[in-house]
Amino acid sequence: GAGVSQSPRYKVTKRGQDVALRCDPISGHVSLYWYRQALGQGPEFLTYFNYEAQQDKSGLPNDRFSAERPEGSISTLTIQRTEQRDSAMYRCASSFGQGRNTEAFFGQGTRLTVV
Amino acid sequence: AQSVSQHNHHVILSEAASLELGCNYSYGGTVNLFWYVQYPGQHLQLLLKYFSGDPLVKGIKGFEAEFIKSKFSFNLRKPSVQWSDTAEYFCAVNANTGNQFYFGTGTSLTVIP
Repeated sequence: GAGVSQSPRYKVTKRGQDVALRCDPISGHVSLYWYRQALGQGPEFLTYFNYEAQQDKSGLPNDRFSAERPEGSISTLTIQRTEQRDSAMYRCASSFGQGRNTEAFFGQGTRLTVV
Repeated sequence: AQSVSQHNHHVILSEAASLELGCNYSYGGTVNLFWYVQYPGQHLQLLLKYFSGDPLVKGIKGFEAEFIKSKFSFNLRKPSVQWSDTAEYFCAVNANTGNQFYFGTGTSLTVIP
């Protein structure tokens, strides 16, 4: 597609359930980023990939959070045993990648609410 | 690690007033600098970017920003704001060798008609 696509746009889940958030980056973009944005805050880095390799996962808050990008395109961010504090906007972005001056292009985000 | 500071958290202006939003970053190497805007209910969109060359960068909708290397700053300016500029503004930086983008906490701008 023309832009970064995220699904679902909205997700309401019960505490303790697992959720999977999907990101389809811009075709040809090497790098893919996951951010979490709480209300009134800037995007907080979670993890990023170059192709299928997870380059940095230092921003994942704990081991309930994981991400994969098995074929170097679509990525899934999984949160296991969700907690209310996980409620936030989860944003995915992609860029041409390392070594090239380019900006990050963002998707619409997934609004996650844990009840 | 890199970090980005935006000193103005909430700004309220009347239409036609001039705008300047501060952004400072901490990183010793060469950086790329960005301003993103988030209109109500929409996703983050690029307003302008600096990679190299002329430190005064012009973006969309009449916005501009000036990179002052000695001050580690990249302030956003607009001479005359409009009601439609009401949005959240985020400054971001990444090292030009690639890797993650670091964002500031954002500045909420409200323009009163």
